[in-house]
Amino acid sequence: DIQMTQSPSSLSASVGDRVTITCQASQDIGNYLSWYQQKPGKAPKLLIYDASNLQTGVPPRFSGTGSGTGFTFTISSLQPEDIATYYCQQYDNLHTFGQGTKLEIK
Amino acid sequence: QVQLQESGPRLVKPSETLSLTCTVSGDSLSSYYWSWIRQPPGKGLEWIGYVYYSGSTNYNPSLRSRVTISIDTSKNQFSLILNSVTAADTAMYYCVRYNWHYGGFDPWGQGTLVTISS
Repeated sequence: DIQMTQSPSSLSASVGDRVTITCQASQDIGNYLSWYQQKPGKAPKLLIYDASNLQTGVPPRFSGTGSGTGFTFTISSLQPEDIATYYCQQYDNLHTFGQGTKLEIK
Repeated sequence: QVQLQESGPRLVKPSETLSLTCTVSGDSLSSYYWSWIRQPPGKGLEWIGYVYYSGSTNYNPSLRSRVTISIDTSKNQFSLILNSVTAADTAMYYCVRYNWHYGGFDPWGQGTLVTISS
């Protein structure tokens, strides 16, 4: 099984800050990685697929990079509506999610 | 636009069978994988498995012995059966379309909370 490790597990930042979350795969997954945003009480929403491609309609302040085993998700300028939990997910071999990063406003 | 809606019992007794159905509107089931993902209260996401429109399936190895996912293209529905449930199966259950073209789960149903309790 492929394990996905996200860090940090929680994060507090101010509006306008640059926010970065990392995701490490237990083995090489190429670029088969997606990122999701889950707001409280809501279903997750796909933001990024194939490690760096923005889903249609997602604001460009969201971005993703990486390949192999190391991946990064960035919000260039944090907005109040970005408060959520973020998950990475690999699809190289079946599907595994990271444990999530809870993002709060400072 | 495609919309997914889960339905089924919200309370299931331990050792019994959890059964959910997802109704898809706005598109046919063709050419996609149709998936179930769950989330225990306050915890992370776990992929349960999916069914292709042809009927072929793939499951999470940790649940494979207890799970069956099936599809009914005539009704635009797919279903989840989870046998021998325990309290650890209490979770929000989401039905989701998997876009194999680019690897993303999208869109998601709103989810249904299933509680395992006597």
